[in-house]
Amino acid sequence: AAGVIQSPRHLIKEKRETATLKCYPIPRHDTVYWYQQGPGQDPQFLISFYEKMQSDKGSIPDRFSAQQFSDYHSELNMSSLELGDSALYFCASSPGLATDTQYFGPGTRLTVL
Amino acid sequence: SQQGEEDPQALSIQEGENATMNCSYKTSINNLQWYRQNSGRGLVHLILIRSNEREKHSGRLRVTLDTSKKSSSLLITASRAADTASYFCATDRNSGYALNFGKGTSLLVTP
Repeated sequence: AAGVIQSPRHLIKEKRETATLKCYPIPRHDTVYWYQQGPGQDPQFLISFYEKMQSDKGSIPDRFSAQQFSDYHSELNMSSLELGDSALYFCASSPGLATDTQYFGPGTRLTVL
Repeated sequence: SQQGEEDPQALSIQEGENATMNCSYKTSINNLQWYRQNSGRGLVHLILIRSNEREKHSGRLRVTLDTSKKSSSLLITASRAADTASYFCATDRNSGYALNFGKGTSLLVTP
């Protein structure tokens, strides 16, 4: 069965650079969630989209923005990167907004040097 | 984390033993879920229990929920080395459908 695809899987950036993370949800899933997991930490919700509209917002820094496109894939744009942004970034998808189970991608490991 | 704490933070057992992990949360919930994460990998959904349920089983997994105590437990019976992973509980957010994760329990099962 198709799973959530995230690209790239690994990314190394310098401080103050920008990064773009991509998420391709499971086919026919119209809801996407982004989570950030720092080293040894639990995942923290950043932002979510349903039918290309922002549906909820968590602890996403103002330096980050995201959007969901017409084909339902989503991109997380991160600017002015800081050392503390180094983390695993997960995307999850679900078939609808009120669906209980979220299906997680393998994550993008971002390292900021 | 905006929600619960998990207990214990780390657990080491031998194959064949049972492993019990606990999760507490702070606000009212619609459901509680348990996820598994192998080191540095993605999160895999294990089981969901709704707020009106008290116990649920799935294979070697048993989950209980006590809404009066705002706590849940995950029991893995007859553990295997392949069960070595971190286990997180997650609850729904009051403002939407995203998940609030607990701190996680790191389980090590030795042969």
